[in-house]
Amino acid sequence: QSALTQPPSASGSPGQSVTISCTGTSSDVGGYKYVSWYQQHPGKAPKLMIYDVSQRPLGVPDRFSGSKSANTASLTVSGLQAEDEADYYCSSYAGNNNWVFGGGTKLTVL
Amino acid sequence: EVQLVQSGAEVKKPGESLRISCKGSGYTFTSYWTSWVRQMPGKGLEWMGRIDPSDSYINYSPSFQGHVTISVDKSITTAFLQWSSLKASDTAMYYCARQDSSGTGIDYWGQGTLVTVSS
Repeated sequence: QSALTQPPSASGSPGQSVTISCTGTSSDVGGYKYVSWYQQHPGKAPKLMIYDVSQRPLGVPDRFSGSKSANTASLTVSGLQAEDEADYYCSSYAGNNNWVFGGGTKLTVL
Repeated sequence: EVQLVQSGAEVKKPGESLRISCKGSGYTFTSYWTSWVRQMPGKGLEWMGRIDPSDSYINYSPSFQGHVTISVDKSITTAFLQWSSLKASDTAMYYCARQDSSGTGIDYWGQGTLVTVSS
């Protein structure tokens, strides 16, 4: 299966909102409710931010939200803060007990 | 507290074999799958495969099938990732992770094991 498509970079000023897209196909993103988003700071392990398209794990600020339309999922970070600067990866169930990640988006807080 | 603790960094030569480990604690080990994810230097995440510790059933990503072997010893709540003949292109950070069997995906990650293959 192919990796999901994410923009290589995104940016915003503190306090602003930014949305990162994750485009797949009807065989992955569009076919299931199992889209997750992960935040990875340099040199660190990824951290789950959103699961099942729009659910937030305990402890994740409500500034982070997720949605999906057809074959594209989105992560929105509202009220950008300096500590949100990181790489973000989407992931989706792809059928036949396989999962696929996106290529990653580097979020810069200006 | 859920923890996945991985074995330390490895430096190997091409052609050598290697097994790295991932010990889960703080949860019922057999109730969640253990997955492995590769991150090559400066690159993104790649899902390699997963094992169900309750019955050792394994799924590999087509990209990794035949190149690595995933196994588990549930008596010591530890999963393993192994290579029989390393290549320079296997140089990467490898993460183990806990994955819910419902399809939701990965929720907790290990700290990563850096594998360097160089002659």
